[in-house]
Amino acid sequence: EVQLVESGGGLVQPGGSLRLSCAASGFTFSTYWMSWVRQAPGKGLESVANIKKDGSEKYYVDSVKGRFTISRDNAKNSLYLQMNSLRAEDTALYYCTRGRISRDYWGQGTLVTVSS
Amino acid sequence: QSALTQPPSASGSPGQSVTISCTGTSSDVGGYNYVSWYQQHPGKVPKLMIYEVTKRPSGVPDRFSGSKSGNTASLTVSGLQAEDEADYYCSSYAGSNVVFGGGTKLTVL
Repeated sequence: EVQLVESGGGLVQPGGSLRLSCAASGFTFSTYWMSWVRQAPGKGLESVANIKKDGSEKYYVDSVKGRFTISRDNAKNSLYLQMNSLRAEDTALYYCTRGRISRDYWGQGTLVTVSS
Repeated sequence: QSALTQPPSASGSPGQSVTISCTGTSSDVGGYNYVSWYQQHPGKVPKLMIYEVTKRPSGVPDRFSGSKSGNTASLTVSGLQAEDEADYYCSSYAGSNVVFGGGTKLTVL
């Protein structure tokens, strides 16, 4: 059974940093693109970043470029999102998802709240 | 990286068919056959319903179908059932990242 379990969310002040993690199991992690998708409270979905199977290509939505970094450790079956210079508008539920274009599996999400 | 345009709401009675549109540009929807649709019930995780415009993942009822014409993709739900009431989001490959629509709330009357 495919499982994606996110962790690392929490309350952080504007300008602060957080590192999200996603533990994957039930599939061969190293053979899939992986992505982070966020959903602000009561709002729609936004694809934040995605990373190629071997980590050699990474893509970001314009609003997080230069602030967020996606990475992965295939030996640990883990996906990460380092978030720096956080803003109030980054407040959202962050989902770890499998796939680059169509996202066929989603974690339950980890909530990031940016507030003073 | 502009969001795709979806109607905010749609509705239909049980047994009827409803179609939800998703309009983009030649840089996303019109440029690639990589449109996906997701269903999200309140408080739940999104579920992939359609990928590559017309394909259904295993387990998705054939009442759900997808199509595309030019820069507009569509999701049709036939034989509406009460459990189809949910938010639906389209997405499209846009050259590097994926862009989502704003979502459509489907109400089963």
